[in-house]
Amino acid sequence: AQSVTQLDSHVSVSEGTPVLLRCNYSSSYSPSLFWYVQHPNKGLQLLLKYTSAATLVKGINGFEAEFKKSETSFHLTKPSAHMSDAAEYFCVVPGGANNLFFGTGTRLTVIP
Amino acid sequence: DTGVSQNPRHKITKRGQNVTFRCDPISEHNRLYWYRQTLGQGPEFLTYFQNEAQLEKSRLLSDRFSAERPKGSFSTLEIQRTEQGDSAMYLCASSSDFSQQYFGPGTRLTVT
Repeated sequence: AQSVTQLDSHVSVSEGTPVLLRCNYSSSYSPSLFWYVQHPNKGLQLLLKYTSAATLVKGINGFEAEFKKSETSFHLTKPSAHMSDAAEYFCVVPGGANNLFFGTGTRLTVIP
Repeated sequence: DTGVSQNPRHKITKRGQNVTFRCDPISEHNRLYWYRQTLGQGPEFLTYFQNEAQLEKSRLLSDRFSAERPKGSFSTLEIQRTEQGDSAMYLCASSSDFSQQYFGPGTRLTVT
């Protein structure tokens, strides 16, 4: 069985301060993990993916995530938030051999 | 632009009517996926095609839903006898391998 728990439904940070979006997971399938971002009126975009190589994964727009098997966590971080980072972020695991299972999302607000 | 496109972007229909949505994937992608996203939730998997073959269907895909991909290129998703509970964003994604799916902007369905 697979599950994804995004621990915060809403995170608010000031521009220029660090971002931390938390995710805990469980999956019966391959140890792949993803973060997707959804900006208003735009399609979902892959931020980064972990596929059992390096545990620290770097993605686009300065985001990175660390896979911690012992904690079953895959938290997303960014050192300095930008206004354009305001969006909905989804932690994702394989839902089967051919589909993705999404968490409920974390809405990131960036305060100027 | 060679991304995934979906039409229409918005559809308002009355309960009981049939609707059909279209997805045009990235041309070289042989995998195509449909997801549904309701307000405040992450996308949920509906069905998966590899070329023209529909290889996987979610339990969410009731008998009123049918999807096709007749020539392994574009796909259609039809909902018959729509119900208010069908109101959602319907997302299409395509990929050449499982690990990176490219999403379209979605079709927002409102059933009145």
